[in-house]
Amino acid sequence: DVKVTQSSRYLVKRTGEKVFLECVQDMDHENMFWYRQDPGLGLRLIYFSYDVKMKEKGDIPEGYSVSREKKERFSLILESASTNQTSMYLCASSSEGLAGPHGGDTQYFGPGTRLTVL
Amino acid sequence: KNQVEQSPQSLIILEGKNCTLQCNYTVSPFSNLRWYKQDTGRGPVSLTIMTFSENTKSNGRYTATLDADTKQSSLHITASQLSDSASYICVVLDHYNTDKLIFGTGTRLQVFP
Repeated sequence: DVKVTQSSRYLVKRTGEKVFLECVQDMDHENMFWYRQDPGLGLRLIYFSYDVKMKEKGDIPEGYSVSREKKERFSLILESASTNQTSMYLCASSSEGLAGPHGGDTQYFGPGTRLTVL
Repeated sequence: KNQVEQSPQSLIILEGKNCTLQCNYTVSPFSNLRWYKQDTGRGPVSLTIMTFSENTKSNGRYTATLDADTKQSSLHITASQLSDSASYICVVLDHYNTDKLIFGTGTRLQVFP
């Protein structure tokens, strides 16, 4: 079974703190993604990575950075947390591209980290 | 306007009944369309992935259909169980323009005994 784990299920931080969210996958997947999920909005892509040390901005990268030093680990960093970053953060991984003649690869999601910034 | 819209926003049914969830999209052309199930407080889990040339795909009691002409997809759940209570999310891959997945906001299904 593919397993994607996230370092914390719940996290409470104060405004201005630096926050690290860790994601680890155990299936040697090439691709890893960070999303945030807010009520009434679909999942929104923050950053993704197709290889070690490679990162690409998603739709809402402002206020975030990422790090992928090892293939299995993808970290999301909030440089200076703000209240509008209170959200559910979801990490995902996939082994190949999302497109393809057979529909592309399945994304596997972690359980999520619910972050509250006070 | 969201490029992937789902209806209804929420749905309540009794255990054992069937239901159908709708997804309308404007992404064109698109590469594939996915349905995910998300239990409360958990990450989404993939149910089906269909390419633009497929009309239907099943996964147990879940059957997804796709009409690329009308840009509509539906997810049919047969003989619902309490464990089907979850949010169901429709996702379209905009491969040709942005190469990104576009997520709908989901339908919240509650199955009562």
